[in-house]
Amino acid sequence: AQKVTQAQTEISVVEKEDVTLDCVYETRDTTYYLFWYKQPPSGELVFLIRRNSFDEQNEISGRYSWNFQKSTSSFNFTITASQVVDSAVYFCALTLPRTGANSKLTFGKGITLSVRP
Amino acid sequence: DADVTQTPRNRITKTGKRIMLECSQTKGHDRMYWYRQDPGLGLRLIYYSFDVKDINKGEISDGYSVSRQAQAKFSLSLESAIPNQTALYFCATSEGQGRTDTQYFGPGTRLTVL
Repeated sequence: AQKVTQAQTEISVVEKEDVTLDCVYETRDTTYYLFWYKQPPSGELVFLIRRNSFDEQNEISGRYSWNFQKSTSSFNFTITASQVVDSAVYFCALTLPRTGANSKLTFGKGITLSVRP
Repeated sequence: DADVTQTPRNRITKTGKRIMLECSQTKGHDRMYWYRQDPGLGLRLIYYSFDVKDINKGEISDGYSVSRQAQAKFSLSLESAIPNQTALYFCATSEGQGRTDTQYFGPGTRLTVL
């Protein structure tokens, strides 16, 4: 069975600091997909990124960057120069290729990020 | 307009009542899902449907039932609500085609069972 661990439960930083959110996953499959979602205080879940297991390229999108390392089964998320609007709960998730029941998302428990002005 | 909508957005009900949460999507996706979110537990899958004729139990389906009325509609029912079903409920959809199977979530329904 798949498992996603987000060991950090709460992080508090001051605006403009960089912050890294950790995600460690477990799966026996060699093909899988990893995701990050953001849940702001308003409650909705916003898709941020999907990464395929066969693509270890890191990705940068504005102030956001993702570091995928298969050797350590990690998919970490860094916010550079954090802003108050980044305050949210961030979830890491994993799914297997869409075969039968394996297409469900397995979520970590989330990391609450608070960015103080 | 939002691609995935949920109604109601908030609901307070009493123990033993039957309640239905509805989800509609305009994304044209085949797959739909129901999750519940509890503090400190993340999201857990209740039911999922790959098409109108295919419905499957998730990890916590006891006490819930679903109906896939059409490709665009997927309803979650609590036949006899109990207080530990108080949670935030999310509907999600995914395309189910090729390798792109990102799930997109609705805004959530906050359910309180007294």
